[in-house]
Amino acid sequence: GAGVSQSPSNKVTEKGKDVELRCDPISGHTALYWYRQSLGQGLEFLIYFQGNSAPDKSGLPSDRFSAERTGGSVSTLTIQRTQQEDSAVYLCASSLGVGLRTDTQYFGPGTRLTVL
Amino acid sequence: TQLLEQSPQFLSIQEGENLTVYCNSSSVFSSLQWYRQEPGEGPVLLVTVVTGGEVKKLKRLTFQFGDARKDSSLHITAAQPGDTGLYLCAGDRLDTGFQKLVFGTGTRLLVSP
Repeated sequence: GAGVSQSPSNKVTEKGKDVELRCDPISGHTALYWYRQSLGQGLEFLIYFQGNSAPDKSGLPSDRFSAERTGGSVSTLTIQRTQQEDSAVYLCASSLGVGLRTDTQYFGPGTRLTVL
Repeated sequence: TQLLEQSPQFLSIQEGENLTVYCNSSSVFSSLQWYRQEPGEGPVLLVTVVTGGEVKKLKRLTFQFGDARKDSSLHITAAQPGDTGLYLCAGDRLDTGFQKLVFGTGTRLLVSP
């Protein structure tokens, strides 16, 4: 596809369950980013990948959150033992990753996670 | 701690009016970006400013980066209903790298016909 795609678009889960969120970046983009957008916190950085490596994991809120990227393409964000405060829209973005400050990030439509 | 504060949080105006949205911080940013986000979609980049004092124009939108690189403004002239959306500023700090964007609190704009 032409843009960043994310799946599922909506996910409702029960507290304590694990969830996996998927991101398909734009073809050829080597950099991939995960963000979380919630009403009270705005849009916050979670993790960044360059290729399959994650140089910056500083935004992950707790050790229940993890992410991986394989083949320099698809990425999965996993949240274990979900809590109600994890409810938010999880956004993925990708960029060329050429190391320039003007490297544009293109965002996907997000996955809306609701933890009951 | 919110590093980028936007004001106002909400703005409801009539078509044809002018408006200015502000993005302020006590931190210095290497660059600052403005995005617009519509319901059910991710943010879309409007502009990136990288030099203190820089002014960029995009049709009816004018963006300015403060001289000290701590603040920015977005001015819309003769707003149209199509300008409705959530406007977000985002910056990268000198000490954290440009990949780690810090987003502002957002300004929700509604332009009525």
